[in-house]
Order: sequence, then structure tokens, then C-alpha cells
Amino acid sequence: AQSVTQLDSQVPVFEEAPVELRCNYSSSVSVYLFWYVQYPNQGLQLLLKYLSGSTLVKGINGFEAEFNKSQTSFHLRKPSVHISDTAEYFCAVSDRGNTGKLIFGQGTTLQVKP
Amino acid sequence: DAGVTQSPTHLIKTRGQQVTLRCSPKSGHDTVSWYQQALGQGPQFIFQYYEEEERQRGNFPDRFSGHQFPNYSSELNVNALLLGDSALYLCASGTGVPNTEAFFGQGTRLTVV
Repeated sequence: AQSVTQLDSQVPVFEEAPVELRCNYSSSVSVYLFWYVQYPNQGLQLLLKYLSGSTLVKGINGFEAEFNKSQTSFHLRKPSVHISDTAEYFCAVSDRGNTGKLIFGQGTTLQVKP
Repeated sequence: DAGVTQSPTHLIKTRGQQVTLRCSPKSGHDTVSWYQQALGQGPQFIFQYYEEEERQRGNFPDRFSGHQFPNYSSELNVNALLLGDSALYLCASGTGVPNTEAFFGQGTRLTVV
């Protein structure tokens, strides 16, 4: 069985500062990894995904994440945040052979302050 | 191109009642998965439908059931509603099994009173 731990429930940061949202996962099989963003009262939007290949993955809105197999981590980063990045961020994992089921972390609230 | 659409957006039900939520997948998608997101929590997988069959199921009781129609749209039914069923219900669609990307709808906010 897989599990996902998002290490920070809330991350406050000032506008134009860099940010890192941390995600660790546990799995006995090879996985795909995802980051989703959720704005208030909305569904989930895919930011980026790691399937294979380069461990540095670039996504939308200037976000990127790095897959570290030895540390079973998939941390999300952005070099300079904007007020509009304020949202809930979810890390998710799926079994490569069973991708219809996503296992989500508890979420990290990113609060960007002016 | 319409994305994943869910209806209704909000509804309020009384404990013990039954509810049906609907989902139309993104154009070209044939797989639908349902998730429950309680307030302040990450989404939890309920089940997945492909080729009109339930392909896999999460840790939810039999009160939760579903259906997929020939046009790939799907319904989620919940019987004997409990207060704890209050949540945002999300539908996600994709292509085939396995698939590498899930597109989510806006969700249906269910409140059980």
C-alpha cells in the first residue's frame, strides 16, 4: 500500500520569495507522482507529474519538482511566488500498474503575503 | 472543449436519505473515478469505472455505489446518508486503464443535516 506525507500543513511566505512544499511517499512498488493545486471552492488542477526519465519536472505557473528515489521524496518548488499562488497544494502517488487510484497527502496551505 | 462537469454543485440532504451525484468526463475520456474530500483533508479514492464496470474500489462501505453509462458518464449513489458523509465529492476522468493523468471536475458539495 502507498501513503503520502506532506510535511507542512501551512507555509506562509512573502510575495516574490522562493518556496518549497515538502512531500514524502511510501510504496513497495514503482510509482507515478503528482502535484495538484486546489483554489477555494474548486476542483483539483494538475501542476506537474513525474512518470519516468529526468528527475526534475517542470510544470505550469513556474512550479517544478524533483523526484528523489533514495529519499522517497517529491518536493515542489517555485523561485518567486505571487499572491495568486495562495491555495491548497496536494501531493499524490499512484501505482504504475494501477494508475486509476490516486493516494493523496493531507495538503499544504500556501499563504502568500504582500 | 468542456472539461469534467459535475452536477449539482451543491445540495443538502437529511440523514438517512439517498443521494445521486453525476459526472460527465472530459471529451475523449472513458474512465471515471470518484473521490471524497472531507473538510481540511486530502481526497480519498472511492472507486473507478471503466467499460461500465467498477474496476477498483477504495475503503468505502457498500452504501456507496456507482454506475457508468455507455456514453462514459457516471453516477455516484450514496444510501442511508450519515452526517459524516458531508464532503466535497470529486469526479476525475482519464483515458483507458492504466492512465497517467486524471482531470478533475469542480466537485459537488454535499451537506448532510
